[in-house]
Amino acid sequence: ETGVTQTPRHLVMGMTNKKSLKCEQHLGHNAMYWYKQSAKKPLELMFVYNFKEQTENNSVPSRFSPECPNSSHLFLHLHTLQPEDSALYLCASSQTEGQNYEQYFGPGTRLTVT
Amino acid sequence: DAKTTQPNSMESNEEEPVHLPCNHSTISGTDYIHWYRQLPSQGPEYVIHGLTSNVNNRMASLAIAEDRKSSTLILHRATLRDAAVYYCILRDGNTGKLIFGQGTTLQVKP
Repeated sequence: ETGVTQTPRHLVMGMTNKKSLKCEQHLGHNAMYWYKQSAKKPLELMFVYNFKEQTENNSVPSRFSPECPNSSHLFLHLHTLQPEDSALYLCASSQTEGQNYEQYFGPGTRLTVT
Repeated sequence: DAKTTQPNSMESNEEEPVHLPCNHSTISGTDYIHWYRQLPSQGPEYVIHGLTSNVNNRMASLAIAEDRKSSTLILHRATLRDAAVYYCILRDGNTGKLIFGQGTTLQVKP
């Protein structure tokens, strides 16, 4: 248990569906992150939020829409995804962005787009 | 972003020490060396980090070359639970971004 939870753990969706991934951290951190881990590829940073403000969008397609209503919760809204978006989506948090604060990762949501 | 080079895979026997190498010849003065590991079906977890001096914690030791162009993560007594992908990452001290590479897959044999 890292103090970062993600739901659902597994998700299968069609290309026309809309779904959301949820991340919650119980660590009192102020920075939250979304990463994508595709098969045979390194983890890719997607978005960063620091004190609820988005500070990084790593050229992510607009069919992925993040939301950070408060420092403890982070969502990733998905719509009209493609099969190549199938991957493990990982959420992480840290005390704040920058510095050398370690990041704590959740277990991930395994997404399959059919 | 500065790059690291690690072997794709390594094997170890249980209860023996493991030395995981990492080359980072383009490291800059503000880059910290971080190690994370990812156990099967889990997200990555922090292992250790350092700047210039060798570091020890309850999980591992980090030995950093004098010129900082390479480092070695040392697991003193490997257990089956240490089987994972180990990532060596150069983290910019200002932006704090973690840029993951392919890592080293460590297999531990009983």
